[in-house]
Amino acid sequence: ETGVTQTPRHLVMGMTNKKSLKCEQHLGHNAMYWYKQSAKKPLELMFVYSLEERVENNSVPSRFSPECPNSSHLFLHLHTLQPEDSALYLCASSYQPLDTYEQYFGPGTRLTVT
Amino acid sequence: GQQVMQIPQYQHVQEGEDFTTYCNSSTTLSNIQWYKQRPGGHPVFLIQLVKSGEVKKQKRLTFQFGEAKKNSSLHITATQTTDVGTYFCAGPGSNYQLIWGAGTKLIIKP
Repeated sequence: ETGVTQTPRHLVMGMTNKKSLKCEQHLGHNAMYWYKQSAKKPLELMFVYSLEERVENNSVPSRFSPECPNSSHLFLHLHTLQPEDSALYLCASSYQPLDTYEQYFGPGTRLTVT
Repeated sequence: GQQVMQIPQYQHVQEGEDFTTYCNSSTTLSNIQWYKQRPGGHPVFLIQLVKSGEVKKQKRLTFQFGEAKKNSSLHITATQTTDVGTYFCAGPGSNYQLIWGAGTKLIIKP
């Protein structure tokens, strides 16, 4: 599947580094999402964007900063992360930001914070 | 707050045996979605149920939505190795969110 792509696929970073995760969707969708998935927790929604405007922020720490320059691209900027931020970060998109539309996920970025 | 509980957390089966996962919501749902995540993969949408008492089938997979629209189940008949993975249910929450169950991991015994 190439509908939603994410780069990089794996990332190791120190707590003082700054890095960015990139997501691109080729499905013509209007909503994009960032999720965090860790071994012990179900999918945690971090951010929702609709038509490039952020509509939901689930009380995510400020060390995570999203950016949505257009409806096809989504970034997650990372800085001064903690080891507990190590997880799989998944990007998803849907036709509209409504709960009646299925979400299409990218392959994820496996992040390790050392 | 709204919760979606999913059980069991794991299910070990012999190949050929059946598998069932159950999803229960603390509130009435307008719809429920099911996803499958293969090991090392990402969640992939399987189906959405909307109507009370709805039953849908996809080959060996049978999905049900309860009459009260607060619970749902996924049943797989005669499991195969290709069925291995984690199955998630998700229901609508507030503000465009899907509330996800914790998932049921299907493991085929060697």
